[in-house]
Amino acid sequence: DTEVTQTPKHLVMGMTNKKSLKCEQHMGHRAMYWYKQKAKKPPELMFVYSYEKLSINESVPSRFSPECPNSSLLNLHLHALQPEDSALYLCASSQSPAGGGYEQYFGPGTRLTVT
Amino acid sequence: KQEVTQIPAALSVPEGENLVLNCSFTDSAIYNLQWFRQDPGKGLTSLLLIQSSQREQTSGRLNASLDKSSGRSTLYIAASQPGDSATYLCADYYGNNRLAFGKGNQVVVIP
Repeated sequence: DTEVTQTPKHLVMGMTNKKSLKCEQHMGHRAMYWYKQKAKKPPELMFVYSYEKLSINESVPSRFSPECPNSSLLNLHLHALQPEDSALYLCASSQSPAGGGYEQYFGPGTRLTVT
Repeated sequence: KQEVTQIPAALSVPEGENLVLNCSFTDSAIYNLQWFRQDPGKGLTSLLLIQSSQREQTSGRLNASLDKSSGRSTLYIAASQPGDSATYLCADYYGNNRLAFGKGNQVVVIP
């Protein structure tokens, strides 16, 4: 099974709401990633979790709060977002975060709209 | 930081023609290189991953080559079909297993 699942598929939220995105993998991977993708742009890395610890934060605003409760699950908590945060949020996982030789497997993404 | 370039940004080809998509990267010390397909509003679909020790990978009508010395990869799609219309992203792996993405080639195959 090489599947990464993401829920929900679509999310509409107001600027004062709090919501969460969920990502799950059962491949035994020890690295998990959050990406943000705006229309007609490539994905941009937001966070990397390595062995359930946050290892990379690409200067993401604090209104985005990642969490890795266990090795299979990755959450992204959203609070007080802005309309410009509307995007496709992609989750990925890889066997290891080390070096560069481990394929990242991507989930289908969550389409977020902030109103 | 690794930079990946894909030119042209958009192209159209008649159905049946072979598609050739080019990707260049700045640092030859890459690990792996991967080609993805993305349909509008959808996630990434992995097409081919070429390990740094390999020169090419093939899957059906798709063939991807890698030339580290020149910093280039090419994706060939034989006998293009309207269903091949999509955006194709090239990405290479560098330190800490990060991915550097190109901006993509938006392809339209005209029936």
